Amino acid sequence: AQSVTQLDSHVSVSEGTPVLLRCNYSSSYSPSLFWYVQHPNKGLQLLLKYTSAATLVKGINGFEAEFKKSETSFHLTKPSAHMSDAAEYFCVVSDRPGFQKLVFGTGTRLLVSP
Amino acid sequence: DAGVIQSPRHEVTEMGQEVTLRCKPISGHNSLFWYRQTMMRGLELLIYFNNNVPIDDSGMPEDRFSAKMPNASFSTLKIQPSEPRDSAVYFCASNPGPGDEQFFGPGTRLTVL
Repeated sequence: AQSVTQLDSHVSVSEGTPVLLRCNYSSSYSPSLFWYVQHPNKGLQLLLKYTSAATLVKGINGFEAEFKKSETSFHLTKPSAHMSDAAEYFCVVSDRPGFQKLVFGTGTRLLVSP
Repeated sequence: DAGVIQSPRHEVTEMGQEVTLRCKPISGHNSLFWYRQTMMRGLELLIYFNNNVPIDDSGMPEDRFSAKMPNASFSTLKIQPSEPRDSAVYFCASNPGPGDEQFFGPGTRLTVL
């Protein structure tokens, strides 16, 4: 079965400093991977997705992620954090090709201080 | 587009009562998903539909839970009878079809006393 492991439950950064949210995956297939963001009391929004095209994926709001097959990782980065980036971030893997069934990680809460 | 619409946004009920959650997917989307989010178990897929037909309900916790999609623009998730451990945020999502981004609604926060 497919799974993702988010290595940090909380990450704290200062505004203007880089963000790194770590994710490792396990998949029997060539996986499709996603990062979703959830702001407080809101639904989830897709940040970016990897579907076996370019290994460096650019998403919304300046976020990007790199698929590294040798490390089974899909870490999310942003060069400079903004206060509005404070939210919960979920790494997600598709359960099977065609990715209708998504398997979510446990989430990483990003805290941004002034 | 209004996005995925869920109602109610908050529901407080007593143990043993029937609860019905509602979802209107984005117009033109052919697939609809019901998720549950709890602190203990995170986000879990309960069931999903393609073209109004249930495809995978392996995530439905037990017979107390049922979901229907009578037409392309409406779905319900029913819990009967409800129990305190059903307290969670329930999300509905939709997408045009396999391989497409899932768009999430704002969720329904259910509290069972």
